[in-house]
Amino acid sequence: EVQVAESGGGLVQPGGSLRLSCTASGFTFSRSWMTWVRQAPGKGLEWVANIKLDGTEKYYVESVGGRFTISRDNAKNSLYLQLNSLRAEDTAVYYCARDMVASGVVTIDHWGQGTLVTVSS
Amino acid sequence: QVVLTQSPSASASPGASVKLTCTLSSGHSGYAIAWHQQQPEKGPRYLLRVNSDGSHNKGDGIPDRFSGSSSGAERYLTISSLQSEDEADYYCQTWGSGVGVFGGGTKLTVL
Repeated sequence: EVQVAESGGGLVQPGGSLRLSCTASGFTFSRSWMTWVRQAPGKGLEWVANIKLDGTEKYYVESVGGRFTISRDNAKNSLYLQLNSLRAEDTAVYYCARDMVASGVVTIDHWGQGTLVTVSS
Repeated sequence: QVVLTQSPSASASPGASVKLTCTLSSGHSGYAIAWHQQQPEKGPRYLLRVNSDGSHNKGDGIPDRFSGSSSGAERYLTISSLQSEDEADYYCQTWGSGVGVFGGGTKLTVL
C-alpha cells in the first residue's frame, strides 16, 4: 500500500525556521517525483514545490522562492521541506504528495495526511 | 503560465449525476489534469487524471461512479449516483513549465 507520512510541523515565531519531513513506503521512492502542497486555514490548495526523482530538478511557487528548499534522500525514502524566514501567511497544513509523470505533465496521485505549521508570536 | 478555472459551487440531489468543469488557460489545451476530492475536515484524495484525449487513470479504490472526460481546453469530472459523502470540495491540478497549479476548487453540495 502506498503511504506517505509528514512530520515536523509546529508553532514557530515569525522569521523562524522549520524542517518538514515526509517518509514514503509501498512504492519505489527513487522513481517518483514528489511534491509539497499547502492549505491555509479556510483556503484552497496551493502547490508549493516539487522535485525530480533524482533531485536534479527542483521547482517552487514564486511566493516561497529563496525561503523554502525542497530536498530528498532516496536511500531513506524521505522528502524534506526546509522553511526559513517564515511569515504569518505561511501558516497552513503542509501535505506531501507523490507525483505521476506522463507526456511531460506532472500530476499528484497520492497524498499524505498533512502536518500543521503555525507561524505566530 | 497555465491557469485552471473552476466554478466555485455546484449542487445536485442524491442519486443524480453532476459534471464538474476545469478549464485550461489559452495555449494549454493539451495538458492533462488531475482531480482531487477534499471532504470536510479531511485531507485531499486523488480521484483520477484526465488526459487531453479524454482517457483517464483512476486512483486506487475510486468507485466507478467517478469518471473523467475532455473536450478542447475543458476537463470534466462526472459523478453519478450521488451520495451524501460526495459532498466535498473538488480541485483540479496540473503542472507545466516548472510550475504546479490548482484550480480554485468547486464546492459540491448534495441537497
